Amino acid sequence: QQQVKQSPQSLIVQKGGISIINCAYENTAFDYFPWYQQFPGKGPALLIAIRPDVSEKKEGRFTISFNKSAKQFSLHIMDSQPGDSATYFCAAANAGNMLTFGGGTRLMVKP
Amino acid sequence: DSGVTQTPKHLITATGQRVTLRCSPRSGDLSVYWYQQSLDQGLQFLIQYYNGEERAKGNILERFSAQQFPDLHSELNLSSLELGDSALYFCASSLLGGLTATGELFFGEGSRLTVL
Repeated sequence: QQQVKQSPQSLIVQKGGISIINCAYENTAFDYFPWYQQFPGKGPALLIAIRPDVSEKKEGRFTISFNKSAKQFSLHIMDSQPGDSATYFCAAANAGNMLTFGGGTRLMVKP
Repeated sequence: DSGVTQTPKHLITATGQRVTLRCSPRSGDLSVYWYQQSLDQGLQFLIQYYNGEERAKGNILERFSAQQFPDLHSELNLSSLELGDSALYFCASSLLGGLTATGELFFGEGSRLTVL
């Protein structure tokens, strides 16, 4: 059973635009929500993460928005750049447990 | 460079065969995780070891097994291989048995298995 659903599967954005990736989860015990970025030929790497006590977290051009009541969270990439082209995975975990990953979104930023 | 080393990077084998994938975690990390990434699929958790002991099990087939050795490196054994086992297999490591405050897992670059 997939506990974290991610959309869209692929996304094409023009340079300078906003990329938005959405995730929804089912397990209300989840209390940690990271996003991982994966470039071709590389392993995923932590990009940004949020805990449910805040509704938004921003790091540079990357922002996580979190809606606890809707059990949804999203990644916004402002001023998207070609170097942001990668696969993005949302994930969720509860204390001490392994991460459950979403299905991934392949982002392409066109110059 | 995450500090996690996986070998081999690429492996081609035939159905019915057995292969072993190896992972060396970051220096000092006690936990090792194995994930499978199939084409157009997300990351499926297989199994976790912490300091030599199995800590958690995910969707790992009975044909697959893993272990973590006293020097903390880990091996994932895949046997009676089928075409559908073709995938990228990632190893990740973390310091503790569960997620830290940052919750970060450090991933290797993966081992690409092709079963013909």
